[in-house]
Amino acid sequence: EVQVVESGGGLVQPGGSLRLSCAVSGFTFGSSWMSWVRQAPGKGLEWVANINQDGGEKHYVDSVRGRFTISRDNAVHSMFLQMNSLRADDTAVYYCARGGWPPDFWGQGTLVTVSS
Amino acid sequence: DIVMTQSPDSLAVSLGERATINCKSSQSVLSTSNNKNYLAWSQQKPGQPPKLLIYWASTRASGVPDRFSGSGSGTDFTLTISSLQAEDVAVYYCHQYYSAPLIFGGGTKVEI
Repeated sequence: EVQVVESGGGLVQPGGSLRLSCAVSGFTFGSSWMSWVRQAPGKGLEWVANINQDGGEKHYVDSVRGRFTISRDNAVHSMFLQMNSLRADDTAVYYCARGGWPPDFWGQGTLVTVSS
Repeated sequence: DIVMTQSPDSLAVSLGERATINCKSSQSVLSTSNNKNYLAWSQQKPGQPPKLLIYWASTRASGVPDRFSGSGSGTDFTLTISSLQAEDVAVYYCHQYYSAPLIFGGGTKVEI
């Protein structure tokens, strides 16, 4: 059974940092692109970033480029999203998803709230 | 960036009736190298994460009922639910994966 579990969300002040983690099981992680997709409260889906199998190719949406860094550790079947210089408009549920083109299986998400 | 425009924003359909959702991309998502449309549809039920329904514009993902079908090519696409069931109440998103950034449409809310 495919499982994707996000963690690391929470309340952070504007300008602060947070690191999200995504632990997976039930599929060959090292052979899979992975993605982060977010959803602001009451809004639609927004793709954030994806990363290829060995971490050598990464893509970002313009609004997070330079502030967020996607990474992965195939040895522990995990993906990460380091989020710096957080802004109020980064407030959202962040979903980890298997696949990059397109994402094809999402976790339950972790809520990130940026507020003072 | 490719812009994805969905219509309508919402629709109400009777049980057993057909639901049709349209999606238009600002540029073609058809690859000339493999003749595939890089267009997917996902479903998000209330309080749940999204679920992939359709990829390559018309290929159903594993386990998706055959009442869901996708069609179209180039810039114009359609998701059809042939006979709406109560469990199909959800928001449906088209999204292109032809190039980064991947872009989702604004969503279409389907109600009974």
